[in-house]
Amino acid sequence: GQSLEQPSEVTAVEGAIVQINCTYQTSGFYGLSWYQQHDGGAPTFLSYNGLDGLEETGRFSSFLSRSDSYGYLLLQELQMKDSASYFCAVRKAAGNKLTFGGGTRVLVKP
Amino acid sequence: NAGVTQTPKFRVLKTGQSMTLLCAQDMNHEYMYWYRQDPGMGLRLIHYSVGEGTTAKGEVPDGYNVSRLKKQNFLLGLESAAPSQTSVYFCASNPQGPYNEQFFGPGTRLTVL
Repeated sequence: GQSLEQPSEVTAVEGAIVQINCTYQTSGFYGLSWYQQHDGGAPTFLSYNGLDGLEETGRFSSFLSRSDSYGYLLLQELQMKDSASYFCAVRKAAGNKLTFGGGTRVLVKP
Repeated sequence: NAGVTQTPKFRVLKTGQSMTLLCAQDMNHEYMYWYRQDPGMGLRLIHYSVGEGTTAKGEVPDGYNVSRLKKQNFLLGLESAAPSQTSVYFCASNPQGPYNEQFFGPGTRLTVL
């Protein structure tokens, strides 16, 4: 089978940096995606790592280490609007199907 | 472009009733997916389609059927609803090929009593 582990909840203050770790066990790994979901909303795509290393998109960065089956999402200069759930998702080699982790709820306090 | 739309937004069913959820996309995407999300959990893939006229099972297909008669539409059917199917259902789509982003609809909140 396959599994993804990420922390259930993280709390931080505005302006801080938060790192959300994701470890996975799967066969046929192709890449790791990150999605953001606000309460009552739909998931929206943040980033994708197909190769080892860091991908930067504005205040958000994502990292992947295939040898360690590990990735993380880094949220910098936290803003109140970043309060949401963040999901890592494994993309397998066969097609574009995604398997999602349980999500990390990020609460940003003033 | 409307993107991915879902109908209805909310629905309450009694155990044993049937219904169909409609997903439509106007982006000419080949791939479409149905997920369910239970409270405090991640999304689980129910069924998916890699093109018009094709469907395949995902992680949790039992109790659901799907059809993709037209490229832009992906229907999810519940033949005999059960309380365990109370969930929020999301549809998503993406183009064919090594495309990294899935585009999600707004979701359908289904309650089965």
